[in-house]
Amino acid sequence: EDKVVQSPLSLVVHEGDTVTLNCSYEVTNFRSLLWYKQEKKAPTFLFMLTSSGIEKKSGRLSSILDKKELFSILNITATQTGDSAVYLCAALNYGGSQGNLIFGKGTKLSVKP
Amino acid sequence: EPEVTQTPSHQVTQMGQEVILRCVPISNHLYFYWYRQILGQKVEFLVSFYNNEISEKSEIFDDQFSVERPDGSNFTLKIRSTKLEDSAMYFCASQPTAIRSNEQFFGPGTRLTVL
Repeated sequence: EDKVVQSPLSLVVHEGDTVTLNCSYEVTNFRSLLWYKQEKKAPTFLFMLTSSGIEKKSGRLSSILDKKELFSILNITATQTGDSAVYLCAALNYGGSQGNLIFGKGTKLSVKP
Repeated sequence: EPEVTQTPSHQVTQMGQEVILRCVPISNHLYFYWYRQILGQKVEFLVSFYNNEISEKSEIFDDQFSVERPDGSNFTLKIRSTKLEDSAMYFCASQPTAIRSNEQFFGPGTRLTVL
């Protein structure tokens, strides 16, 4: 059965801390690994990773994929209270003509002032 | 910036009733999806749709569920006879193409409460 596992499930840090969120996956027809940020309702896209070892960066956020060990990490440096959210990892399963996303349970990040 | 919209934001219904959840994907997108998230649980894939037909569906998407793109604009999810366990947040997503980008853009969701 395809699955995506995220850890930790929740994390409380103080502003300025650096955090690392983990995501491991076992997906039959894996194509890409996506990270989303979910604050209130809709998940908003952060990164899509398709190749191993290539870091993607956006401001204080960065992410990398290891296709050999089947995991990805999302780093957030100098955290701010606005980073508080649930961070979702999703593996794109591309078995046919159109893929679907298999989500992990998410990591709930709380950044305290 | 174009975005996926969904209506209603919250739907309350009695068990056994039919509901239709509506989505307007981003206008030039070709691939459409429905996901659901039961409170406190992970987001789960329901169905994908392209070229006016279902591409893939999960085990959750049984005979009680159907999807339609009636007018080239709206993308709807119908639940024929709702059950208590259908209570969840339902997200619609759209994607430009399968080749150029795998990014799926999510709508704000419809919270379905079945009483």
